[in-house]
Amino acid sequence: DQQVKQNSPSLSVQEGRISILNCDYTNSMFDYFLWYKKYPAEGPTFLISISSIKDKNEDGRFTVFLNKSAKHLSLHIVPSQPGDSAVYFCAASGTYDYKLSFGAGTTVTVRA
Amino acid sequence: DTAVSQTPKYLVTQMGNDKSIKCEQNLGHDTMYWYKQDSKKFLKIMFSYNNKELIINETVPNRFSPKSPDKAHLNLHINSLELGDSAVYFCASSQDGPYEQYFGPGTRLTVT
Repeated sequence: DQQVKQNSPSLSVQEGRISILNCDYTNSMFDYFLWYKKYPAEGPTFLISISSIKDKNEDGRFTVFLNKSAKHLSLHIVPSQPGDSAVYFCAASGTYDYKLSFGAGTTVTVRA
Repeated sequence: DTAVSQTPKYLVTQMGNDKSIKCEQNLGHDTMYWYKQDSKKFLKIMFSYNNKELIINETVPNRFSPKSPDKAHLNLHINSLELGDSAVYFCASSQDGPYEQYFGPGTRLTVT
């Protein structure tokens, strides 16, 4: 039973344009959300997070938006760069959980 | 200076064998995790240890036994390996909750 869903398995975007990755969750107890980036043959690396008390968090080229009523979050990457080509995982946790629930990932390809 | 390291990186073995994967973190974190990434690329929590105590065991077969000799190490021992155990296993660590977890590079286990 996947509680975190990334319905787009892949995304192709031109260099310099915006990448928008989407994530939906079903567990209303989730109150902390994260995005991880993963290159082949490496472990996931933390990218950006957001608490449920906020609706937006920005870090350089990366912005995460949270819509609690829709149980939806998105990651915006502006401008997209070739080094952003990777798999992006959405993850979520509840306050008293000691675990993250991950989505299936979205593979982003940035075209030159 | 690798923050979270795993050995070996690749492991090929036959059905019925017993094998171990080692994990070490030098971040001073108090919580460590094992995840399994299956063929569908889902990252699923298996175990979590906080200060050497098991706090999460996600209905993993008892052929899998984690061992934490100290806060910096969490090893995974697998008995009687089966074909379905083939996957990439990731170790991770975090401080003060499950949030920003730091992942190791993964161990690709192939059971033939």
